[in-house]
Amino acid sequence: EAGVTQFPSHSVIEKGQTVTLRCDPISGHDNLYWYRRVMGKEIKFLLHFVKESKQDESGMPNNRFLAERTGGTYSTLKVQPAELEDSGVYFCASSQDNRAGLTEQFFGPGTRLTVL
Amino acid sequence: RKEVEQDPGPFNVPEGATVAFNCTYSNSASQSFFWYRQDCRKEPKLLMSVYSSGNEDGRFTAQLNRASQYISLLIRDSKLSDSATYLCVVNFWSNFGNEKLTFGTGTRLTIIP
Repeated sequence: EAGVTQFPSHSVIEKGQTVTLRCDPISGHDNLYWYRRVMGKEIKFLLHFVKESKQDESGMPNNRFLAERTGGTYSTLKVQPAELEDSGVYFCASSQDNRAGLTEQFFGPGTRLTVL
Repeated sequence: RKEVEQDPGPFNVPEGATVAFNCTYSNSASQSFFWYRQDCRKEPKLLMSVYSSGNEDGRFTAQLNRASQYISLLIRDSKLSDSATYLCVVNFWSNFGNEKLTFGTGTRLTIIP
């Protein structure tokens, strides 16, 4: 079975440009999460989808970030306009069930974003 | 204060040795606890869940002390392949009804031949 996939694996853009990251969760997983790790810091939660609905977007840093999950399958995370502090690794994760502590979140390989 | 605190290391230990990692968390309402492993430039992968009664998986033993808000991981008879960053992860079941994982910064372990 295919795992969580993310595209692109790397992206280098200039400040002010727009970048869109894509995540394809494991087939059948209703829950999709975005996390981010900036250099020297811990991995931090950004938001959570249940199917196509945003369940919790409390971790989104500001309104330059927009996440969508149309149709409840793959998700995109758009950063517009990108700033230097947005550089980091963006991880996507998915899980099948939502019962606390009973389901594993499977992580994708991440997209390494560099803003110059 | 960080929600999950870990000693970042690095820990450099000889092959075959026993190594222990510790982690503390600040939210007493935290409900689920995990150790994840992350290899260099790879994604985090679940190593094991942590239960109050303690649990063991081969050479790995995890313990949870809710009163002290403390989690530990013990690796016995360490192998070269154990070299990785070990992430302490806590889940707080929020009002949104979701599993929002909170990560420590990770402890880097290098096993020396």
